[in-house]
Amino acid sequence: DAKTTQPNSMESNEEEPVHLPCNHSTISGTDYIHWYRQLPSQGPEYVIHGLTSNVNNRMASLAIAEDRKSSTLILHRATLRDAAVYYCILRDSLRSNSGYALNFGKGTSLLVTP
Amino acid sequence: KAGVTQTPRYLIKTRGQQVTLSCSPISGHRSVSWYQQTPGQGLQFLFEYFSETQRNKGNFPGRFSGRQFSNSRSEMNVSTLELGDSALYLCASSFGQSNSPLHFGNGTRLTVT
Repeated sequence: DAKTTQPNSMESNEEEPVHLPCNHSTISGTDYIHWYRQLPSQGPEYVIHGLTSNVNNRMASLAIAEDRKSSTLILHRATLRDAAVYYCILRDSLRSNSGYALNFGKGTSLLVTP
Repeated sequence: KAGVTQTPRYLIKTRGQQVTLSCSPISGHRSVSWYQQTPGQGLQFLFEYFSETQRNKGNFPGRFSGRQFSNSRSEMNVSTLELGDSALYLCASSFGQSNSPLHFGNGTRLTVT
């Protein structure tokens, strides 16, 4: 199964954009890229997902490289409430039992400073 | 609509005992998956149930088991508890496709002494 690699931690100033990278060099053509975040003392929260094209929603934007071997989660204006652990995972659409997700790993811990 | 509910929120058990955790998914979701979260290993997949059948299983010993009921509610059981089983156990529900988001509960914090 394809794996993802993320930096352990990143830091940003409040109200500035944040670009969280994720490498997935062994991604297959049928893998969806999902991003989740986990705030302290809570379960992970869905942020965004995409397959090939860049995606935008009210929380963030997802930029997917043309070769799909990497992606970037973009928070346009970081707030203190965005301080969380961000996970990038892959979910294969062709597996017959594709509803699950593999190990999330340790993600990227984002620190936002005022 | 109501989110994913996990009970109990906290649990303290002794080595050798067994424990059952419960997860109520979002209404309409047929998939429930379980995860173990520890500081050392991060968030690891245990197993997933869909329409009362286990569809996928992670790399955990047979002491970890689960089931899903006809109303999609799920339970996971850990027998012969070990100190290393102390963790946050999270469940997530979804419609069951790879492009459907996972919705997580806030977890059950299990401490084994």
